Amino acid sequence: IVLTQSPGTLSLSPGERATLSCRASQSVSSRDFVWYQQKPGQAPRLLIYGAYIRATGISDKFSGSGSGTDFTLTISRLAPEDSAVYYCQHYSSSPPNTFGQGTKVEIK
Amino acid sequence: EVQLVESGGGLARPGESRTLFCAASGFSFSNFWMHWVRQVPGKGLEWVARVSTQGGNLVYADSVRGRFTISRDNANNMVLLDMTSLRAEDTATYYCVSEPTGRGYNYMEVWGKGTTVTVSS
Repeated sequence: IVLTQSPGTLSLSPGERATLSCRASQSVSSRDFVWYQQKPGQAPRLLIYGAYIRATGISDKFSGSGSGTDFTLTISRLAPEDSAVYYCQHYSSSPPNTFGQGTKVEIK
Repeated sequence: EVQLVESGGGLARPGESRTLFCAASGFSFSNFWMHWVRQVPGKGLEWVARVSTQGGNLVYADSVRGRFTISRDNANNMVLLDMTSLRAEDTATYYCVSEPTGRGYNYMEVWGKGTTVTVSS
């Protein structure tokens, strides 16, 4: 399964809403769909699992949706600290565990 | 506090071997599957290997199968990655990651800060 994220880079102003897309090459289970955030110089951090369930401690400004082949991560009320690369992942119990190539969110 | 601390990174020559270590603390280690995920500087994430709770179920990415071995020591809350026949393309930051079991969903929950391996002559 190949995951394709779009756009590659998103440049928005503080307070705006970001919409990140991840498309799978074939239908996947929503239960195994995950989003991670990676800030510069840091390790990735779990944001969303099960396509829409926020991980512990994650702000409600982050929301996930989608099913089948199309999944979306929405970030509302953008702030400078949301600048990061966001990765989608289809978790598979058999290899490989596929990651998308990432979407970079820049705050103007 | 849940923590994963990797060590063992450094410079290796092509063809050499190296072992990475991950020390886990702050959670019930033996109830979690454990993974290694790597990232080439400036690039995306690549899953490398996974070990089940008791170490009996091991899976690998095609790129490392036959060269890397993942294992765990539940008595000491450690995960290891034995890397042999290293190649330049193995140069990356290696992250140790925990996966909770029994929650009905599959995801990588906690990530360590990573340890960097550079393979160069």
